[in-house]
Amino acid sequence: AQSVSQHNHHVILSEAASLELGCNYSYGGTVNLFWYVQYPGQHLQLLLKYFSGDPLVKGIKGFEAEFIKSKFSFNLRKPSVQWSDTAEYFCAVNNQGGSEKLVFGKGTKLTVNP
Amino acid sequence: EAGVAQSPRYKIIEKRQSVAFWCNPISGHATLYWYQQILGQGPKLLIQFQNNGVVDDSQLPKDRFSAERLKGVDSTLKIQPAKLEDSAVYLCASSLEIASTYEQYFGPGTRLTVT
Repeated sequence: AQSVSQHNHHVILSEAASLELGCNYSYGGTVNLFWYVQYPGQHLQLLLKYFSGDPLVKGIKGFEAEFIKSKFSFNLRKPSVQWSDTAEYFCAVNNQGGSEKLVFGKGTKLTVNP
Repeated sequence: EAGVAQSPRYKIIEKRQSVAFWCNPISGHATLYWYQQILGQGPKLLIQFQNNGVVDDSQLPKDRFSAERLKGVDSTLKIQPAKLEDSAVYLCASSLEIASTYEQYFGPGTRLTVT
């Protein structure tokens, strides 16, 4: 069965610091990869996604993620965080061409201090 | 474009009572999902509909949970009887079509507390 591991439960940074959130998945086939974000009091929304092609994908608000197939990883990065990036971040995976059921990680709470 | 609507936003019930949640997906979206998100965990899919048919309900505890989408638009999720471990946020999501590459749009969720 598919599973997703997010290494950090809670990350605390100061504004302008660089961010990298880890995500590893367990699945033997070809997958689609997603990062979702939930800002305080708001809905889950898509940050970025990877289906195929360039393994470095760019999303909204300056976020990017790199798919490394050999490491089964899809880490999220941002060079310089802002206070408004405070949120919970979820990595998710589904398998291409099969059930599109999304399997989510447990999430990483990011707190950015001004 | 209106988003996914859910009601109620909050519900507190005692164990062994029943409860129902309602979801109205984005207009034109054929696929509808119900997720359960327990505190400290990511969302877990309970059931997926394509129009009014069930695609996947493998993780739905069918002895107490039921869901329907009779006219292929809005949907209800019911728990009867509720247990303490059902305390969670219940999220509804919809997507335009069933393929794995279509984005899922999430509603605000219903926070259920079972006492």
